[in-house]
Amino acid sequence: GQQLNQSPQSMFIQEGEDVSMNCTSSSIFNTWLWYKQDPGEGPVLLIALYKAGELTSNGRLTAQFGITRKDSFLNISASIPSDVGIYFCAGQLYQGGKLIFGQGTELSVKP
Amino acid sequence: SAVISQKPSRDICQRGTSLTIQCQVDSQVTMMFWYRQQPGQSLTLIATANQGSEATYESGFVIDKFPISRPNLTFSTLTVSNMSPEDSSIYLCSSQTGTSGSLTYNEQFFGPGTRLTVL
Repeated sequence: GQQLNQSPQSMFIQEGEDVSMNCTSSSIFNTWLWYKQDPGEGPVLLIALYKAGELTSNGRLTAQFGITRKDSFLNISASIPSDVGIYFCAGQLYQGGKLIFGQGTELSVKP
Repeated sequence: SAVISQKPSRDICQRGTSLTIQCQVDSQVTMMFWYRQQPGQSLTLIATANQGSEATYESGFVIDKFPISRPNLTFSTLTVSNMSPEDSSIYLCSSQTGTSGSLTYNEQFFGPGTRLTVL
């Protein structure tokens, strides 16, 4: 089925460094969402994007909805140990439609 | 955001048996979804459950294997039938609200998941 290409698959960084991850698709989406999943937990919504070109921040997190509507990125500034987890992008074709998830980016932060 | 609970949080089951997973939302929601997350993998949608209508299943998932109920706007169940070890996964429900205050229609919130192991 349809899938998003999320990269990188994993990242090992030092505390304090900035992080960037992105998702690309061959299809246009009307909504992009970014989630974080901790071990043994369900995904938690970080940022939702609704318009092409939109740039939205949530604390140290910033995400952008690509102008072509086929991509999105998530930046984390000044990483801290609690940023460890798996980050998923998700695209939605239309309101009320299903989410299509990327493969995830596993983030490890060394203190 | 909607608060979603699932029961059980985890279970170990024998091959050939069935398990029903419950999902409760703390507010009325338009749509509920059931996902499967196999070990180390991303989330795959099983079906969409709207109150008052039959669930809509994704390709590769069938009602006989994953029957779903949606009796009201705050509750849904997913049954994993005639289980085999390949059904060992995390099963997650999510909800999607209509416009309400600061929430918009497109935001989906997830429950904590049910971790299923089939022996």
